[in-house]
Amino acid sequence: EPEVTQTPSHQVTQMGQEVILRCVPISNHLYFYWYRQILGQKVEFLVSFYNNEISEKSEIFDDQFSVERPDGSNFTLKIRSTKLEDSAMYFCASSVLPPNTDTQYFGPGTRLTVL
Amino acid sequence: DAKTTQPTSMDCAEGRAANLPCNHSTISGNEYVYWYRQIHSQGPQYIIHGLKNNETNEMASLIITEDRKSSTLILPHATLRDTAVYYCIGVFTGRRALTFGSGTRLQVQP
Repeated sequence: EPEVTQTPSHQVTQMGQEVILRCVPISNHLYFYWYRQILGQKVEFLVSFYNNEISEKSEIFDDQFSVERPDGSNFTLKIRSTKLEDSAMYFCASSVLPPNTDTQYFGPGTRLTVL
Repeated sequence: DAKTTQPTSMDCAEGRAANLPCNHSTISGNEYVYWYRQIHSQGPQYIIHGLKNNETNEMASLIITEDRKSSTLILPHATLRDTAVYYCIGVFTGRRALTFGSGTRLQVQP
């Protein structure tokens, strides 16, 4: 069964450093998303991406964040200058563009630890 | 999106049916009810969704009341691997973001 994959599974970085989290969505999916979950808290939406553009973003997704689909398979989340509070699990998700449903399939996540 | 209300936690005996309720009294006519679960710190896993009719798939059944103000997710024969946090989410057609609440922590007991 096709699945969303994410790399790395765990990333440790120093505060102020740039990180890039990578995702390979399911191959025939057209919408891509990033969510994050700070330890012990709710899963929070960050951004959705379609047709090489951001289609929706939350207040969390500020200028420190960017997303890109550099080729036909990868979808990346870049954090330019990491802060301690960016430590969280980051989940990528993807969905087909169906006429009336929005089932999103999630990857296993990347645990980001900012020291 | 409709605000959903779920119990904080539930227990279920292994092999028995787990019935997880969700209230969504403000749901609108074109808003789907989605269920996801999260096992430990893994990525949320899609379970099932519905609009008006009851739905069943290989994982679960979804019973939606006629007035659509509440629904119940049924895991017919719970196993220890079903121990997870279960989220009931209202999703507008065409809206892309999922809004996760706190969900119900289901503990399946041996």
